[in-house]
Amino acid sequence: EIVLTQSPGTLSLSPGERATLSCRASQSVNSRYLAWYQQKPGQAPRLLIYGASSRATGIPDRFSGSGSGTDFTLTISRLEPEDFAVYYCQHYGSSLWTFGQGTKVEIK
Amino acid sequence: EVQLVQSGAEVKKPGESLKISCKGSGYSFTSYWIGWVRQMPGKGLEWMGIIYPGDSDTRYSPSFQGQVTISADKSISTAYLQWSSLKASDTAMYYCARQYTGIDYWGQGTLVTVSS
Repeated sequence: EIVLTQSPGTLSLSPGERATLSCRASQSVNSRYLAWYQQKPGQAPRLLIYGASSRATGIPDRFSGSGSGTDFTLTISRLEPEDFAVYYCQHYGSSLWTFGQGTKVEIK
Repeated sequence: EVQLVQSGAEVKKPGESLKISCKGSGYSFTSYWIGWVRQMPGKGLEWMGIIYPGDSDTRYSPSFQGQVTISADKSISTAYLQWSSLKASDTAMYYCARQYTGIDYWGQGTLVTVSS
């Protein structure tokens, strides 16, 4: 069973700053099945990135994903006020899903 | 427009049974996996299981195997999550979601509260 570990648990930043979120897998995964989601309070998650680096429809280009093997990164180049939220990575290979525990990006 | 519409909030007592639903529209319901995700209050996302409505192939997370049953009725484009005997610890928001390139569409969530 693949375990995804996200770090840090909380990221305190100011609007306009760059955010770098990490997701590490317990074993090598196919990057084709690695995704990132944003969740705001009271809302369902929203797909940001799939295939490790492809932006989902309508996602601003300040969001980017990278990585392969066991190490993946979500970068938000310049934080906008609406970007403060919780972010999850996920692996969905072989129709078995695993989520990381989440990283909260909060306003400093 | 692709939509997943879930049934409404439920308040149940421990030991009661429950079946919640997720109706898909705007796409070929039988051609995409539908998964269920639990989110306990203030906590993260937990994958429970997944079903392919085309042939009802179903897979469960080890953490939820035997605890819930996932099913689908393709004639009405609806997936289900059911419990035979609820516990207080089942209190959570439950989401259904469609797998394509990532999990691209999510239901609005069904809040299940189990309390005596």
